[in-house]
Amino acid sequence: KAGVTQTPRYLIKTRGQQVTLSCSPISGHRSVSWYQQTPGQGLQFLFEYFSETQRNKGNFPGRFSGRQFSNSRSEMNVSTLELGDSALYLCASSLVVAADYEQYFGPGTRLTVT
Amino acid sequence: DQQVKQNSPSLSVQEGRISILNCDYTNSMFDYFLWYKKYPAEGPTFLISISSIKDKNEDGRFTVFLNKSAKHLSLHIVPSQPGDSAVYFCAASVSGSQGNLIFGKGTKLSVKP
Repeated sequence: KAGVTQTPRYLIKTRGQQVTLSCSPISGHRSVSWYQQTPGQGLQFLFEYFSETQRNKGNFPGRFSGRQFSNSRSEMNVSTLELGDSALYLCASSLVVAADYEQYFGPGTRLTVT
Repeated sequence: DQQVKQNSPSLSVQEGRISILNCDYTNSMFDYFLWYKKYPAEGPTFLISISSIKDKNEDGRFTVFLNKSAKHLSLHIVPSQPGDSAVYFCAASVSGSQGNLIFGKGTKLSVKP
């Protein structure tokens, strides 16, 4: 079974621009969560989508948004990029069956804002 | 305020010996705990999990112990192998918000041949 895929793997943007990152979950997984990893803050939860609805949201400004499509693929968007948005953005998918809620991560998208 | 803490940034162990990685949490609502391993430039890889109704879960060389009264969990790797060298993250979630994992800052494990 194919794992979680994320595109692109690397991205360089300029302050003020916007960016869209894509995530394809493991086949059959309906929940997709997004995380930001930085050296100072570690792994921080951005939001979770399930059946095209945002189910949970972390403590990030409104410039960070996301969506999920009917095939469970998800995108996240960051508008008006700031230097501090430089990070590894990770997507994770889950099967969501009873206690089986392990999240499986993709390789991440490395975003650099200059 | 960190809800999940891994107080040891690094740990060095000899090949064949036991590696013990520790994790403390402060939120008593956490009821599901996971350990992930991460190599540089890759996403975290799921290792093992434990529900709060258990105090131990084993999977091959990996065992996770949960002490709810102490709000402490640990990951034991026996025997340790050089390929286990990576950063290990402890994570926790609350029932109903399992999609929101709260991670510790990680412990870098080095297993020396």
